[in-house]
Amino acid sequence: DIQMTQSPSSLSASVGDRVTITCRASQGISNSLAWYQQKRGQAPKLLVSAASRLERGVPSRFSARGSGTDYTLTISSLQPEDFATYHCQQYYGPPQTFGQGTKVEMK
Amino acid sequence: QVHLVQSGAEVKEPGASVKVSCKASGYTFVNYYLHWVRQAPGQGLEWVGWIIPNTGATYYARKFQGRVTMTRDTSITTAYMDLSRLTSDDTAVYYCTRGGGSITSAGLLDYWGQGTLVTVSS
Repeated sequence: DIQMTQSPSSLSASVGDRVTITCRASQGISNSLAWYQQKRGQAPKLLVSAASRLERGVPSRFSARGSGTDYTLTISSLQPEDFATYHCQQYYGPPQTFGQGTKVEMK
Repeated sequence: QVHLVQSGAEVKEPGASVKVSCKASGYTFVNYYLHWVRQAPGQGLEWVGWIIPNTGATYYARKFQGRVTMTRDTSITTAYMDLSRLTSDDTAVYYCTRGGGSITSAGLLDYWGQGTLVTVSS
C-alpha cells in the first residue's frame, strides 16, 4: 500500500498568514493527489484534484503543486473560514490512502 | 445536484453487525464508483473500500476483508455497507462518497454523504 505522510499534524496561524502543508507519498503517484478540507462536524470537501487543479468555487488564495512523491497545499492569506483540518489523499491506485491530516488552528 | 443521504446513527454491541445505507440522487448512479470512508473520533480518514454500481464489483481495504460487504440496489440508487464482528475500534463516522467515472479517477472523491455514526459499546 502507498503510505502518505502529511506534515505538520497541526499548526497555529493568524488571519492573513501564509500557510503551507506538505504531503509525501511512499512511491510516485503521478499527480493522482487530492486535497480535502474538513470543518468540525462536517464531511470532507474536495478542494484540489490532480495535484494542482482547484475545484470550482475554491478561492484563489488556495494553490497546490507537486510531482512524483512530494506535494504541497498553500493558503496565501488565511481567512477565518479556512480554519479546518486538511487531508491529502492519493488515488493512484487502490487502496486509496490518506495522510494523517493537518489541523489549522487560530493562534 | 448530487446528493448522498445516509441512514441514521447506530449503536451496536461488540460482535454484532451493522448495515449502513447511502441513497444517491442527482446523477447516473451506475456510472460512478461509490466508496466508503470512516473516521474514528479525533482521527484521520480511513478508506474502507469501493463498489462499482454498474457491475457490483467490489474492492476492500485489506484490513476489512472478510468483515465488510458492500452491495447496491440500482433500482433505488442505494448502496450499502455491512460490517460484521464489530469491536470498539469500529466506533467511527462512516461516510459514503462518490468516486470518479473512470478507472483513472475512480478514487477521486467529489461528493460525500453526511456521515453515519456507528458506536460499538456493551
